[in-house]
Amino acid sequence: DTAVSQTPKYLVTQMGNDKSIKCEQNLGHDTMYWYKQDSKKFLKIMFSYNNKELIINETVPNRFSPKSPDKAHLNLHINSLELGDSAVYFCASSPGLAVQETQYFGPGTRLLVL
Amino acid sequence: RKEVEQDPGPFNVPEGATVAFNCTYSNSASQSFFWYRQDCRKEPKLLMSVYSSGNEDGRFTAQLNRASQYISLLIRDSKLSDSATYLCVVMHRDDKIIFGKGTRLHILP
Repeated sequence: DTAVSQTPKYLVTQMGNDKSIKCEQNLGHDTMYWYKQDSKKFLKIMFSYNNKELIINETVPNRFSPKSPDKAHLNLHINSLELGDSAVYFCASSPGLAVQETQYFGPGTRLLVL
Repeated sequence: RKEVEQDPGPFNVPEGATVAFNCTYSNSASQSFFWYRQDCRKEPKLLMSVYSSGNEDGRFTAQLNRASQYISLLIRDSKLSDSATYLCVVMHRDDKIIFGKGTRLHILP
């Protein structure tokens, strides 16, 4: 019944590895997002997709590549992981693109790069 | 000036008291405003949207002051369960979404 789900919940990996985080929403929403929350708890948007199309692409290293196979899924692939990538990554979704819409967040993926 | 600024706190408030905190924003073209709540090690969840005329939801009141470019959140009769971090969110017409760093609130028994 989870509205927005992410896997894995925890991810511990070595520097230089490539990893993926998956996100799925069963709310029928058109828009999905990836956020990064760093150690200082600052939540910053990374990407936004609407109906599988990239809408927002903030200044994020090219090592981060989102992929949306369908509007219910937005996965995040990270190449050549760096220590500074350690953070909590939240996926979110909203019904559409209207700025007044509520976002629903997933439980987060805690990534630790060693 | 940062795009969205909040006092990080923590605000330590006795149970039953009233507490208020503000969030200032720098872009006068900002269109939508929200308060989200984030519990420790949990995801953010919408607390309430902020409307131009101000709005109330139970013990919570949100206000928007466009002239001074800030929004506020007032919590009356605070409960222990109100302890959390409160995130201010500002959205622009170009779909830009900015979260504040949050204000930590501790309600003391």
